[in-house]
Amino acid sequence: EVQLVESGGGLVQPGRSPKLSCVASGFTFSRSNMHWIRQSPKKGLEWIGVIYYDSGHKFYADSVKGRFTISRDNSKNTLGLEMNSLSSEDTAIYYCAKQGGNYYFDYWGQGVMVTVSS
Amino acid sequence: VQMTQSPSYLAASPGESVSISCKASKSISNNVAWYQEKPGKANKLLVHSGSTLQSGTPSRFSGSRSGTDFTLTIRSLESEDFAVYYCQQYNEYPLTFGSGTKLEIK
Repeated sequence: EVQLVESGGGLVQPGRSPKLSCVASGFTFSRSNMHWIRQSPKKGLEWIGVIYYDSGHKFYADSVKGRFTISRDNSKNTLGLEMNSLSSEDTAIYYCAKQGGNYYFDYWGQGVMVTVSS
Repeated sequence: VQMTQSPSYLAASPGESVSISCKASKSISNNVAWYQEKPGKANKLLVHSGSTLQSGTPSRFSGSRSGTDFTLTIRSLESEDFAVYYCQQYNEYPLTFGSGTKLEIK
Protein backbone atom coordinates (compact mmCIF):
# COMPACT_ATOMS: atom_id res chain seq x y z
CA GLU A 1 0.00 0.00 0.00
CA VAL A 2 1.37 3.39 -0.98
CA GLN A 3 1.69 5.80 1.92
CA LEU A 4 2.89 9.39 1.99
CA VAL A 5 3.12 10.99 5.41
CA GLU A 6 3.95 14.67 5.78
CA SER A 7 5.31 16.28 8.93
CA GLY A 8 6.86 19.52 10.13
CA GLY A 9 3.89 21.86 9.92
CA GLY A 10 2.42 24.11 12.57
CA LEU A 11 2.46 27.76 13.55
CA VAL A 12 5.40 29.59 12.02
CA GLN A 13 6.44 33.20 12.55
CA PRO A 14 6.94 35.35 9.46
CA GLY A 15 10.53 35.18 8.25
CA ARG A 16 11.18 31.77 9.79
CA SER A 17 12.41 28.87 7.64
CA PRO A 18 10.66 25.63 8.52
CA LYS A 19 11.26 22.38 6.71
CA LEU A 20 8.56 19.92 5.83
CA SER A 21 9.20 16.23 5.34
CA CYS A 22 7.31 13.50 3.55
CA VAL A 23 8.12 9.86 4.23
CA ALA A 24 7.13 7.48 1.47
CA SER A 25 6.46 3.75 1.52
CA GLY A 26 4.83 1.08 -0.61
CA PHE A 27 6.53 1.96 -3.89
CA THR A 28 10.01 2.43 -5.34
CA PHE A 29 10.64 5.96 -4.17
CA SER A 30 13.98 6.25 -5.98
CA ARG A 31 12.24 5.78 -9.34
CA SER A 32 9.47 8.31 -8.82
CA ASN A 33 9.29 12.03 -9.44
CA MET A 34 7.80 13.73 -6.40
CA HIS A 35 5.82 16.94 -6.06
CA TRP A 36 4.71 19.43 -3.42
CA ILE A 37 1.28 21.02 -3.71
CA ARG A 38 -0.47 23.38 -1.34
CA GLN A 39 -4.08 24.40 -0.75
CA SER A 40 -5.53 27.54 0.73
CA PRO A 41 -9.06 29.00 0.70
CA LYS A 42 -7.81 32.01 -1.28
CA LYS A 43 -5.76 30.28 -3.97
CA GLY A 44 -7.20 26.76 -4.03
CA LEU A 45 -4.85 23.98 -5.07
CA GLU A 46 -1.48 25.36 -6.12
CA TRP A 47 1.40 23.30 -7.45
CA ILE A 48 4.65 24.24 -5.73
CA GLY A 49 7.26 22.20 -7.53
CA VAL A 50 8.75 18.89 -8.56
CA ILE A 51 11.97 17.00 -7.96
CA TYR A 52 12.88 14.29 -10.41
CA TYR A 53 13.65 10.77 -9.22
CA ASP A 54 17.42 11.31 -9.22
CA SER A 55 17.33 14.96 -8.07
CA GLY A 56 18.65 15.82 -11.52
CA HIS A 57 15.91 18.31 -12.24
CA LYS A 58 13.77 20.59 -10.11
CA PHE A 59 11.07 22.99 -11.23
CA TYR A 60 9.16 25.50 -9.12
CA ALA A 61 6.14 27.73 -9.35
CA ASP A 62 7.00 31.40 -9.74
CA SER A 63 5.30 32.17 -6.41
CA VAL A 64 7.93 30.17 -4.50
CA LYS A 65 10.96 30.25 -6.79
CA GLY A 66 14.02 31.42 -4.90
CA ARG A 67 12.30 30.95 -1.52
CA PHE A 68 11.44 27.24 -1.41
CA THR A 69 13.79 24.33 -2.02
CA ILE A 70 12.73 20.76 -2.68
CA SER A 71 15.12 17.95 -1.77
CA ARG A 72 15.04 14.20 -1.42
CA ASP A 73 16.99 11.41 0.22
CA ASN A 74 16.40 8.20 -1.69
CA SER A 75 18.21 6.18 0.95
CA LYS A 76 15.56 7.24 3.48
CA ASN A 77 12.54 7.43 1.15
CA THR A 78 12.12 11.01 2.25
CA LEU A 79 11.08 14.16 0.41
CA GLY A 80 11.79 17.60 1.86
CA LEU A 81 10.54 21.14 1.42
CA GLU A 82 12.55 23.98 2.91
CA MET A 83 10.63 27.24 3.02
CA ASN A 84 12.23 30.65 3.44
CA SER A 85 10.96 34.22 3.73
CA LEU A 86 7.49 33.10 4.69
CA SER A 87 4.54 35.45 4.74
CA SER A 88 0.87 35.03 5.51
CA GLU A 89 0.37 34.24 1.81
CA ASP A 90 2.13 30.92 2.43
CA THR A 91 -0.44 29.77 4.99
CA ALA A 92 -1.88 26.57 3.54
CA ILE A 93 -2.15 22.83 3.78
CA TYR A 94 0.94 21.32 2.17
CA TYR A 95 0.76 17.98 0.38
CA CYS A 96 3.40 15.74 -1.07
CA ALA A 97 2.37 13.70 -4.08
CA LYS A 98 3.81 10.91 -6.18
CA GLN A 99 3.87 11.44 -9.92
CA GLY A 100 2.05 8.89 -12.02
CA GLY A 101 3.03 7.85 -15.53
CA ASN A 102 2.90 11.43 -16.71
CA TYR A 103 2.79 14.67 -14.74
CA TYR A 104 -0.34 13.86 -12.81
CA PHE A 105 -0.45 12.65 -9.21
CA ASP A 106 -1.42 9.05 -8.57
CA TYR A 107 -0.97 9.27 -4.78
CA TRP A 108 -1.24 12.14 -2.32
CA GLY A 109 -0.40 12.49 1.32
CA GLN A 110 -3.05 13.71 3.75
CA GLY A 111 -1.32 17.03 4.09
CA VAL A 112 0.16 19.15 6.87
CA MET A 113 -1.04 22.59 7.88
CA VAL A 114 1.38 25.51 7.92
CA THR A 115 0.12 28.73 9.47
CA VAL A 116 2.31 31.81 9.12
CA SER A 117 1.50 34.31 11.82
CA SER A 118 3.21 36.39 14.45
CA VAL B 1 -2.53 27.46 -18.44
CA GLN B 2 -5.69 28.51 -16.64
CA MET B 3 -8.28 25.84 -15.94
CA THR B 4 -11.76 27.30 -15.58
CA GLN B 5 -13.90 24.79 -13.73
CA SER B 6 -17.69 24.87 -13.46
CA PRO B 7 -19.97 24.72 -11.67
CA SER B 8 -18.42 25.48 -8.31
CA TYR B 9 -21.37 23.84 -6.58
CA LEU B 10 -23.70 21.07 -7.66
CA ALA B 11 -26.56 19.41 -5.80
CA ALA B 12 -27.89 16.06 -7.00
CA SER B 13 -29.69 12.97 -5.74
CA PRO B 14 -28.35 9.42 -5.61
CA GLY B 15 -29.02 7.71 -8.92
CA GLU B 16 -28.78 10.91 -10.95
CA SER B 17 -26.01 11.75 -13.40
CA VAL B 18 -23.88 14.89 -13.24
CA SER B 19 -21.19 16.52 -15.32
CA ILE B 20 -18.36 18.81 -14.29
CA SER B 21 -16.50 20.92 -16.81
CA CYS B 22 -13.03 22.36 -17.11
CA LYS B 23 -11.99 24.70 -19.89
CA ALA B 24 -8.30 25.20 -20.59
CA SER B 25 -7.04 28.63 -21.65
CA LYS B 26 -4.99 27.08 -24.44
CA SER B 27 -4.53 23.79 -26.21
CA ILE B 28 -3.24 21.11 -23.81
CA SER B 29 -3.83 17.97 -25.84
CA ASN B 30 -5.51 15.44 -23.54
CA ASN B 31 -3.22 16.12 -20.57
CA VAL B 32 -5.90 16.46 -17.94
CA ALA B 33 -6.47 14.55 -14.73
CA TRP B 34 -9.45 14.55 -12.37
CA TYR B 35 -9.28 14.10 -8.59
CA GLN B 36 -11.73 13.50 -5.79
CA GLU B 37 -11.30 15.17 -2.40
CA LYS B 38 -12.99 13.92 0.75
CA PRO B 39 -12.52 15.11 4.35
CA GLY B 40 -9.92 13.14 6.23
CA LYS B 41 -8.79 11.21 3.16
CA ALA B 42 -5.96 11.65 0.71
CA ASN B 43 -6.99 13.04 -2.67
CA LYS B 44 -7.79 10.29 -5.13
CA LEU B 45 -6.86 10.21 -8.81
CA LEU B 46 -9.93 9.25 -10.84
CA VAL B 47 -9.03 9.92 -14.46
CA HIS B 48 -5.87 10.81 -16.37
CA SER B 49 -5.08 11.49 -20.02
CA GLY B 50 -8.48 13.11 -20.33
CA SER B 51 -10.46 9.87 -20.38
CA THR B 52 -8.42 6.99 -18.95
CA LEU B 53 -9.84 5.64 -15.73
CA GLN B 54 -7.26 5.11 -13.03
CA SER B 55 -7.14 1.56 -11.71
CA GLY B 56 -9.85 1.19 -9.10
CA THR B 57 -12.05 4.00 -10.37
CA PRO B 58 -15.64 2.78 -10.75
CA SER B 59 -16.92 2.58 -14.31
CA ARG B 60 -19.73 5.08 -13.54
CA PHE B 61 -17.02 7.75 -13.83
CA SER B 62 -15.96 8.89 -17.28
CA GLY B 63 -13.86 11.66 -18.75
CA SER B 64 -14.10 13.27 -22.14
CA ARG B 65 -12.55 16.04 -24.19
CA SER B 66 -13.67 18.37 -26.91
CA GLY B 67 -10.91 20.71 -27.95
CA THR B 68 -9.94 22.60 -24.81
CA ASP B 69 -13.10 21.57 -22.96
CA PHE B 70 -12.88 18.64 -20.56
CA THR B 71 -15.74 16.94 -18.77
CA LEU B 72 -16.00 14.54 -15.87
CA THR B 73 -19.30 12.67 -15.85
CA ILE B 74 -20.60 10.55 -13.00
CA ARG B 75 -23.52 8.31 -13.89
CA SER B 76 -25.93 6.89 -11.34
CA LEU B 77 -24.51 8.72 -8.34
CA GLU B 78 -23.83 6.75 -5.21
CA SER B 79 -23.58 8.15 -1.69
CA GLU B 80 -19.80 7.81 -1.68
CA ASP B 81 -19.51 10.14 -4.71
CA PHE B 82 -20.54 13.27 -2.83
CA ALA B 83 -17.24 15.09 -2.55
CA VAL B 84 -15.19 17.86 -4.12
CA TYR B 85 -13.73 17.33 -7.60
CA TYR B 86 -10.77 19.04 -9.25
CA CYS B 87 -9.31 19.02 -12.71
CA GLN B 88 -5.59 19.48 -13.36
CA GLN B 89 -3.61 20.13 -16.52
CA TYR B 90 -0.18 18.61 -16.89
CA ASN B 91 0.68 19.70 -20.41
CA GLU B 92 3.19 22.27 -19.22
CA TYR B 93 4.72 23.83 -16.13
CA PRO B 94 3.43 25.27 -13.94
CA LEU B 95 0.96 22.47 -13.40
CA THR B 96 -2.41 24.05 -12.63
CA PHE B 97 -5.73 23.06 -11.13
CA GLY B 98 -9.32 24.04 -11.54
CA SER B 99 -11.04 25.79 -8.65
CA GLY B 100 -13.07 22.75 -7.62
CA THR B 101 -16.67 21.57 -7.74
CA LYS B 102 -18.47 20.63 -4.55
CA LEU B 103 -21.02 17.89 -5.20
CA GLU B 104 -23.65 17.70 -2.48
CA ILE B 105 -26.67 15.55 -1.85
CA LYS B 106 -29.95 17.23 -2.79
